[in-house]
Amino acid sequence: SQQGEEDPQALSIQEGENATMNCSYKTSINNLQWYRQNSGRGLVHLILIRSNEREKHSGRLRVTLDTSKKSSSLLITASRAADTASYFCATVITGGFKTIFGAGTRLFVKA
Amino acid sequence: DAGVIQSPRHEVTEMGQEVTLRCKPISGHDYLFWYRQTMMRGLELLIYFNNNVPIDDSGMPEDRFSAKMPNASFSTLKIQPSEPRDSAVYFCASSLGGQGRDGYTFGSGTRLTVV
Repeated sequence: SQQGEEDPQALSIQEGENATMNCSYKTSINNLQWYRQNSGRGLVHLILIRSNEREKHSGRLRVTLDTSKKSSSLLITASRAADTASYFCATVITGGFKTIFGAGTRLFVKA
Repeated sequence: DAGVIQSPRHEVTEMGQEVTLRCKPISGHDYLFWYRQTMMRGLELLIYFNNNVPIDDSGMPEDRFSAKMPNASFSTLKIQPSEPRDSAVYFCASSLGGQGRDGYTFGSGTRLTVV
């Protein structure tokens, strides 16, 4: 099964609202990353949070990491129609070099 | 840098034919990854290289799949013979360092259709 599991599978919101996506994983990790994928395109790296960090910001993005619960969340504030995409969490397992992706959350932002 | 470059963007082939997908990583990146994406299975890691050497190919589905990296600027993923269930989008990604400390840079992918 997937190392990272996103929740919800799909999310539809109005422009200007905040979008929150969650990711849970199973094993000890080195870091956790979030990626965006627009339809028919490759994945774009958004943000990386290390296992010893609890929160990180990048523009309208805020990522939290709770290693005790093996979970992370991605918050997109003041969403825009251009944020419509699939969002994936990816985990790099401690001591390893594999990056394992979850199934993704499909975000739809209505203008 | 032009990013990770994959070719072709689309490939349609008949069952039984050989298919070769190509990837040019970002110059200076020492890790290269091949992923496959399908609706049913999501993104699957097939194989990754470090300094042109294959490190883990446990994700390669069958012996029909093979990957090479003859030099730091080129990698291929070959399927021979191809089958309809190989239809997917194949992504190549590269990074500086294997643990993605600066994130992974993905190519635009090759959409493979085997009929």
